Amino acid sequence: KQEVTQIPAALSVPEGENLVLNCSFTDSAIYNLQWFRQDPGKGLTSLLLIQSSQREQTSGRLNASLDKSSGRSTLYIAASQPGDSATYLCAVSSGAGSYQLTFGKGTKLSVIP
Amino acid sequence: SQTIHQWPATLVQPVGSPLSLECTVEGTSNPNLYWYRQAAGRGLQLLFYSVGIGQISSEVPQNLSASRPQDRQFILSSKKLLLSDSGFYLCAWSPDRRYGYTFGSGTRLTVV
Repeated sequence: KQEVTQIPAALSVPEGENLVLNCSFTDSAIYNLQWFRQDPGKGLTSLLLIQSSQREQTSGRLNASLDKSSGRSTLYIAASQPGDSATYLCAVSSGAGSYQLTFGKGTKLSVIP
Repeated sequence: SQTIHQWPATLVQPVGSPLSLECTVEGTSNPNLYWYRQAAGRGLQLLFYSVGIGQISSEVPQNLSASRPQDRQFILSSKKLLLSDSGFYLCAWSPDRRYGYTFGSGTRLTVV
């Protein structure tokens, strides 16, 4: 059974700082890994999708990497802004016949002005 | 472009009452459709998924059911709500499980 862990559970940084969010998964047989952002009381917004054959994806100030063999992904946020404050969720689409997208419990990020 | 609509945004229902949440997708055909629940302090839990009209798979036994009466419509229902059904319900779609998922804006359900 796939399990996804996100560390840390919460993170507070001053504005302008670069930061890294971590995600690990137990079963390396994945189709892809997706990073989402969730604002309080809102749905999930997709940030980046990395296919299992890819090593990284970039969108603006965001960069996500994937090391499938070690079961790890990182989300790098450059020059953080108060508007980046949200919960960031990592999710893995596993290839073992299940349609389930397995989520971590998220990292709650607070960027202090 | 594809869009996903989910309603209502907020719902307060008494214990024992029925439930119907609706989700529709526009701009695509034959999507895979999903219902997730996010309970306070817990991760997202897959409730149901559908790969076609009338095809529903349940991931966990529960007080809820799902139906897909049309290609781009997915409905979550209950005949009698329990307090434990409270939570944030999210609908999602993907063209194929190998590709990314897109989520709706969610329904906050409070059972009182």
